[in-house]
Amino acid sequence: QVQLVESGGGVVQPGRSLRLSCAASGFNFSSYAMHWVRQAPGKGLEWGAVILYDGSNQYYADSVKGRFTISRDNSKNTLYLQMNSLRAEDTAVYYCARSDDDYFDFWGQGTLVTVSS
Amino acid sequence: QSVLTQPPSVSGAPGQRVTISCTGSSSNIGAGYDVHWYQQLPGTAPKLLIYANSNWPSGVPDRFSGSKSGTSASLAITGLQAEDEADYYCQSYDSSLSGSVFGGGTKLTVL
Repeated sequence: QVQLVESGGGVVQPGRSLRLSCAASGFNFSSYAMHWVRQAPGKGLEWGAVILYDGSNQYYADSVKGRFTISRDNSKNTLYLQMNSLRAEDTAVYYCARSDDDYFDFWGQGTLVTVSS
Repeated sequence: QSVLTQPPSVSGAPGQRVTISCTGSSSNIGAGYDVHWYQQLPGTAPKLLIYANSNWPSGVPDRFSGSKSGTSASLAITGLQAEDEADYYCQSYDSSLSGSVFGGGTKLTVL
């Protein structure tokens, strides 16, 4: 069965960096585009970034563009999110999600990132 | 301020029917992009409920249905059950933002 397991969350000071990982299993990882979607505490869902199946292209929401980098290693079935220059407003649960066409058919359980001094 | 607009909350008694609206614009729903719906139970990750406006993923009961017209879409839930109490989100693609967009979410309360 499809499984997505995020890791790497934690508490980080403003301005610092953090890298999230998402380990995929149960499907042909290299055939699917993958996304990061976040949810601030008590708030709604916000799409953050997508990377195409082969890593050839990435697209970002304006809120993270220039600070976050999405990448993947298809040999390790793993998706990454490098987050730099973190701000308090980046505090959220970060979900990785698989996309089939333009919808998200499977989600991970999420990892919490807290940006605080 | 979300790109797609949903009512913050809806409610209904067990067995009743409720609808949740999702209003977009000419750069997303109105441009012909599909609308998808997700259910998020308390403390859990979102789950795909309806894809491509009106299609069910495997395992989703047909009490849930979706429709789309013009710049809006709707999710209908019939035969409300206590287990349907959750947050519901619509999602589409926006050409001016070059990315996916979500509604602000609607909290369903089963009375």
